[in-house]
Amino acid sequence: EVQLVESGGGLVQPGGSLRLSCAASGFIFNNHWMSWVRQAPGKGLESVANIKQDGNEKNYVDSVRGRFTISRDNAKNSLNLQMNSLRAEDTAVYYCAREMIYNSRSHHDSWGQGTLVTVSS
Amino acid sequence: QSVLTQPPSVSGAPGQRVTISCTGSSSNIEAGYDVNWYQQIPGTAPKLLIYGNNNRPSGVPDRFSGSRSGTSPSLAITGLQAEDEADYYCQSFDDNLGGYVFGTGTKVTVL
Repeated sequence: EVQLVESGGGLVQPGGSLRLSCAASGFIFNNHWMSWVRQAPGKGLESVANIKQDGNEKNYVDSVRGRFTISRDNAKNSLNLQMNSLRAEDTAVYYCAREMIYNSRSHHDSWGQGTLVTVSS
Repeated sequence: QSVLTQPPSVSGAPGQRVTISCTGSSSNIEAGYDVNWYQQIPGTAPKLLIYGNNNRPSGVPDRFSGSRSGTSPSLAITGLQAEDEADYYCQSFDDNLGGYVFGTGTKVTVL
C-alpha cells in the first residue's frame, strides 16, 4: 500500500524558515516524480513544486521560486521542502503527492494527509 | 489565482445526475492537454477520481465519469449519493506557467 506521511509543519514568524518532510513507502520511490501541493484555509489547491526521479529537474510556482527548495533522498525514500523567507500568504496545509505519468503528462494518484504551516507573528 | 474556472457549486437530489465543467484557455485545456479530476471531502486529502480526461483509477465507482467535448472537459456524477458531498477540482498542464494548475473548485451538495 502506498503511504505518504508529511511532517515538519507548525507555527513560524514571518521571515522565518521551516523544513517539511514526506516519508514514502509501499512503492519504488525513485520511479516517480514527486510534488508538494498546498491549500490555504478555505481556498483551493495550488501546485507548489515538483521534482524529477533523479532530483535533477525541479519546478516551482512563481510565488515561491527563490524562497522554497524541493529536494529528495532516494536512499531514504523521502521528499523535502525547505521554506525560507516565509510570508503570511504561505499559510496552508501542505500535501506531499506522488505523480504518475499518463499520455506524457502527470496526475497525482496518491496523497499524504497533509501538514499545516502557519505563518504569523 | 487559478487559470482553470469551475462553477462554485452544483447540487442535486439523491439519485440525480450532476455535471461540473472546467474552462481553460489556449495555454492549457485548449492546447489539448489532458484533464484530471480530484475529490476532496472536507478535512481530508484530495483523492484522484479521473485521469487523462476519462480514465478511472481502480476503486473509483463507475458513477463518476470524465468526458471531453472538444475543449470542454466535464465531470459527471450519476446516481448521486450523500457521500458524494465534497469539493471537486480539475487539473491540467499550462504552457505559460510551465506546470500543473488546478481549477477553482466546485462544491457538490446533495439535497
